Amino acid sequence: DVKVTQSSRYLVKRTGEKVFLECVQDMDHENMFWYRQDPGLGLRLIYFSYDVKMKEKGDIPEGYSVSREKKERFSLILESASTNQTSMYLCASSQMGQGGYNEQFFGPGTRLTVL
Amino acid sequence: AQSVTQLGSHVSVSEGALVLLRCNYSSSVPPYLFWYVQYPNQGLQLLLKYTSAATLVKGINGFEAEFKKSETSFHLTKPSAHMSDAAEYFCAVSEWGSSSASKIIFGSGTRLSIRP
Repeated sequence: DVKVTQSSRYLVKRTGEKVFLECVQDMDHENMFWYRQDPGLGLRLIYFSYDVKMKEKGDIPEGYSVSREKKERFSLILESASTNQTSMYLCASSQMGQGGYNEQFFGPGTRLTVL
Repeated sequence: AQSVTQLGSHVSVSEGALVLLRCNYSSSVPPYLFWYVQYPNQGLQLLLKYTSAATLVKGINGFEAEFKKSETSFHLTKPSAHMSDAAEYFCAVSEWGSSSASKIIFGSGTRLSIRP
């Protein structure tokens, strides 16, 4: 069974803290993605990676960075957490598709609260 | 650039009634289209996908969607709603011919409520 796991379901951090969100997939997928989900805004892409050590900015990368040292693991880093980063964070992975067909498989999400 | 518009942020139907969730897309090339469902406190799960093989696509849990190029639509339907269908539904588009890490663009979502 296809599986994407995220290190925490719920996380509470303080303003200014460095926050790490971890995502692991067991499907040998090339592509991995980080989204944030906010009510009324749907999913917005933060960063994605198409290979180990490769990354590209998504639509809202400001305030975030990522790391992909191994194919199965993709980390999202909040260098200095702020209250406006309180959100649901979703990780996804996909195979290298033909012609752009890249069904994504999602983890359960991490609900982050920054106080 | 491609985009997705979901009409109606919240839809409420009675149990047993028809479910219709609307989605219109914009894409300069033939698209791949998806519907995902998100149950409370869970990640997204693929309901169905259109990849140009057939315009009427059947998915899980009795849902189906029809690709209409002339209307640039990909509406999701289910003949008879069940209480367990209550969830948030996302329409999404990916683009043919993009790079191997082509992005999926998601709509803003439609919350479906089922009345007993």
